[in-house]
Amino acid sequence: DGGITQSPKYLFRKEGQNVTLSCEQNLNHDAMYWYRQDPGQGLRLIYYSQIVNDFQKGDIAEGYSVSREKKESFPLTVTSAQKNPTAFYLCASSPDRVLDNEQFFGPGTRLTVL
Amino acid sequence: AQKVTQAQTEISVVEKEDVTLDCVYETRDTTYYLFWYKQPPSGELVFLIRRNSFDEQNEISGRYSWNFQKSTSSFNFTITASQVVDSAVYFCALSEASPEQGGSEKLVFGKGTKLTVNP
Repeated sequence: DGGITQSPKYLFRKEGQNVTLSCEQNLNHDAMYWYRQDPGQGLRLIYYSQIVNDFQKGDIAEGYSVSREKKESFPLTVTSAQKNPTAFYLCASSPDRVLDNEQFFGPGTRLTVL
Repeated sequence: AQKVTQAQTEISVVEKEDVTLDCVYETRDTTYYLFWYKQPPSGELVFLIRRNSFDEQNEISGRYSWNFQKSTSSFNFTITASQVVDSAVYFCALSEASPEQGGSEKLVFGKGTKLTVNP
């Protein structure tokens, strides 16, 4: 089945630790995205990548880092510099950067920092 | 800058009622796309519809219908004869080219409307 997988579904970390969230897609999509969702808030864009080995900051990139070494993978690292990392993180992909492509979403990872 | 406003934070209806979710957007561009997504309790967003800025025809898909009006910058979503399974958070989103990012496209989401359909 084609789709986007995110692992793990729930993640707990101690304050001050870096943590990496996984996102893999087998849809052969060029573009991939990371969003953060807080209760009562919409999705806010953290980083996005439109091609391998290239990525751009979104609206709330501070305290996060990404890599895009393979087309199918776009891991997100939440660093200790992120002041309030507890949130629901969603990964998405789309065929390319064209305006009219809808984004396909993964099931999300709920990160809780203790 | 582009912006999407969903003024209704939460709506609660009884099964079989019709319900309309409002979406108002702001953009300076003449070419843009509007989307609706559904987020059930499981968390994964499900794509519902895409509409481009040049097509103002209303669309109906089963119990779902969408009303796009450029004159009021609105893209409202109506569920007819609502069912318990319609309970979810619904997001409206706007896709627009971002000149400051070299023309890269971004999707801007509203804050969502939580719909609860009671039996």
